[in-house]
Amino acid sequence: QQQVKQSPQSLIVQKGGISIINCAYENTAFDYFPWYQQFPGKGPALLIAIRPDVSEKKEGRFTISFNKSAKQFSLHIMDSQPGDSATYFCAASVTEGGADGLTFGKGTHLIIQP
Amino acid sequence: GAVVSQHPSRVICKSGTSVKIECRSLDFQATTMFWYRQFPKQSLMLMATSNEGSKATYEQGVEKDKFLINHASLTLSTLTVTSAHPEDSSFYICSARDWSSGLSRGQYFGPGTRLTVL
Repeated sequence: QQQVKQSPQSLIVQKGGISIINCAYENTAFDYFPWYQQFPGKGPALLIAIRPDVSEKKEGRFTISFNKSAKQFSLHIMDSQPGDSATYFCAASVTEGGADGLTFGKGTHLIIQP
Repeated sequence: GAVVSQHPSRVICKSGTSVKIECRSLDFQATTMFWYRQFPKQSLMLMATSNEGSKATYEQGVEKDKFLINHASLTLSTLTVTSAHPEDSSFYICSARDWSSGLSRGQYFGPGTRLTVL
């Protein structure tokens, strides 16, 4: 049973556009939702994270939108740049701050075209 | 801050040998570290939780006798793949939580170790 569903699997966006990646979760005990960026052959890098008590969090060009009732959250990358081309993973954990291991979505391969 | 290193970055070994992978938190102490495995173009799957000074907690389906974990200090956890076989070939990644100043700043991942078993 996949606890975190991520879509789309791949995404192509023009430079300067908005990239949107969506995730849905099933476990209502999840309390922490981070997003990670991964380049080929590298470990994931934490981008931004949110807890269910807020509906939106913005850090630079990255914004998380969170809908607790729908059990969905999404990552928006504004003014997308070629350097943003990478695989993005949403994740979730039960314990506040991710004290337990993370459950990852399957990932989205993002390509930003110049 | 919050840098996690892994060594080695790549290892190739013969079937039946054991391989040790080190995970270090360089600028913070980590009472808990995590080990993940990632197959090509797939997601990360949690293998086990490594707790300093106590036994690791393994996820369902992960063989504890095959994947030995030791967390001897607040900055070092090791994963030993015993009697490795070709199906163990994968990208192994560790992570650690940064509890600096008493606040969790999330999990930070190491650069990963590519294991190839011939």
